[in-house]
Amino acid sequence: EAGVTQSPTHLIKTRGQQATLRCSPISGHTSVYWYQQALGLGLQFLLWYDEGEERNRGNFPPRFSGRQFPNYSSELNVNALELEDSALYLCASSYWGSPLPYNSPLHFGNGTRLTVT
Amino acid sequence: KQEVTQIPAALSVPEGENLVLNCSFTDSAIYNLQWFRQDPGKGLTSLLLIQSSQREQTSGRLNASLDKSSGRSTLYIAASQPGDSATYLCAVGWETSGSRLTFGEGTQLTVNP
Repeated sequence: EAGVTQSPTHLIKTRGQQATLRCSPISGHTSVYWYQQALGLGLQFLLWYDEGEERNRGNFPPRFSGRQFPNYSSELNVNALELEDSALYLCASSYWGSPLPYNSPLHFGNGTRLTVT
Repeated sequence: KQEVTQIPAALSVPEGENLVLNCSFTDSAIYNLQWFRQDPGKGLTSLLLIQSSQREQTSGRLNASLDKSSGRSTLYIAASQPGDSATYLCAVGWETSGSRLTFGEGTQLTVNP
């Protein structure tokens, strides 16, 4: 079974530019989650998509946005990049369905390392 | 505020030792708790998931316990090996947060040969 795949593995941008990060979930998983792991700040929840809809959003500004496609893959877009956006961005997937939607473990990809200079 | 705390932040042990990692959380209204492992520069690997109705889960040398009433979970690693060296993260899913998880800061474990 192929795991969660993220691309690119590394991304270097300058302040003010836009970054697009991509994620393909495990086959059969309908939910995709995005987390930011900045140095010294731990894992912070960004966004949760399920069946193409945004279900929940973390405490991040609107310049962080995303979408989920019909094949359940997802994009995270970060506009007007700032230096503090430099971080490892992790995508995870799970199955959010009956009978136990709350008990499918999250499976993470290896992340995209975004560096803003 | 819903928070997750992990103690200690770092732990160094000799190979073969049994060890316990601690996780505490505010608000006992959880639906599950998960333990993850993260190797440097990598993503997270799911180790164990404990549902709110369960008291413990076991996988190989790993055993995780859950005490909702006291807001605590422990991850027990038996007969530690150098390959167990990694950061271990505890994550809680609260009933009010849907599928969103809140992570602790992690415990960085080093097992010395």
